[in-house]
Parts: sequence; structure tokens; C-alpha cells
Amino acid sequence: QLQLQESGPGLVKPSETLSLTCTVSGGSISSDTYYWDWIRQPPGKGLEWIAGVSYSGIAFYNQSLRSRVTISVDMSKNQFSLKLSSVTAADTAVYYCARRREHLDHLDYWGQGTLVTVSS
Amino acid sequence: QSVLTQPPSVSAAPGQKVTISCSGDSSNIGSKFLSWYQQLPGTAPKLLIYDNDERPSGIPDRFSGSKSGTSATLGITGLQTGDEADYYCATWDNSLSAVVFGGGTKLTVV
Repeated sequence: QLQLQESGPGLVKPSETLSLTCTVSGGSISSDTYYWDWIRQPPGKGLEWIAGVSYSGIAFYNQSLRSRVTISVDMSKNQFSLKLSSVTAADTAVYYCARRREHLDHLDYWGQGTLVTVSS
Repeated sequence: QSVLTQPPSVSAAPGQKVTISCSGDSSNIGSKFLSWYQQLPGTAPKLLIYDNDERPSGIPDRFSGSKSGTSATLGITGLQTGDEADYYCATWDNSLSAVVFGGGTKLTVV
């Protein structure tokens, strides 16, 4: 059974960079059938897709966040990562990692989510 | 403002049926497969329907999906109190080259 687990600091200061890692277990990240995505959910609000990356490094981004986002994959560790720079309180959210089926675009496996609070 | 439009809330009595709509345009729902997600309170979203009308293993047939043109509908029959959750539709948008979500619909079973 595939499992995804987010990890990273739960508290980030304003103007700094938020860094999260998603570790994939029970399956390989090295598949050309899937993309590996980040989604966030501010408290009490809806889901917002941030970005997705293939194992070969092809990436797509939410254009509203593009200038601040870096997404990457580390096949040797079966992980993928998110960096969001210049954070503000508006970036406070639960961040989820998920697997997305290429071309069909459904998110079939999700991590449990990790709350990141931006505060000084 | 979400790219896909859902009603903020719906409600129905236990045992009844409810439908949740999701509308978009030709660059998303009109040309791509749609999926639905259930988010129970305090938990991560779970895939409920994919490819417009397919159910993953383990999802009861009380849940169904359909699509017509640039709109889609999630149907839930035999409502249970355990179905109280937020429901989201999502798809790929060809113009944005991005995954887009609906704003979510809160289902109350009363």
C-alpha cells in the first residue's frame, strides 16, 4: 500500500523560506505514470493546488505562486520536496503531498498533511 | 474565486439522496476527466470518484459521478451521518496548465 508522509518545520518566520519533504513508501517515485503534487489548505478554507513534478523533473505550477515555489524530486531517497520563499501569514496552511495520475489527473494517494504556521 | 464552481453547502435527511454540482468551462471540465474528493473533519481528502464516474476500490456504490459538457455532479444516496464532510471537485485546466479545485461543498446530514 502506497503511503506518503510530509515532514518539515511547523513554524516559519515571515519572509523566510518554507521547506517541506514528502517521503513515499510502499512504491517507487520513479514512474512515468504519475506526478507528485503539493496541495495546501488554509485554516477553514478550501484546497489550493501548489505544484506538481514528475520523476524526471518536469514541473507544473500554480501561476499565482510560481515566482516563490520550487518543487523537486530525489529518486535516491524516494522523496519530493517543496520550497516556498518569502512567506507571509497568508501561507499558513495544512500542506498535503499527493500522487496524481498523469493525463487522468486524479489524486489517488494523499499524505496526512502537516500544519505550517507563519509567525514571528 | 475558484475556477470550478460548487455550492457552498447542501443538506438532506438520513436515508435521502443529495447531489452536488461542479461547473467549469471548456478548458477544464469540458475537455478533461473530473474527480471528486471527500474530506472528513480533521482528515486529509480522499479520492471518491475519478474519471468522471469511476469509484476506487472500497468506495460504496452509494456514491456516483456524472459529467455533461462543462458541468459535473456527485450523487450520494442513502445518506448517513458519517457522510457529513466537505466535498471537492477537481480537474486539470488546459489554459492554466494546472490542477484546479472547486471551492468545496459542506454536506450536512440532518
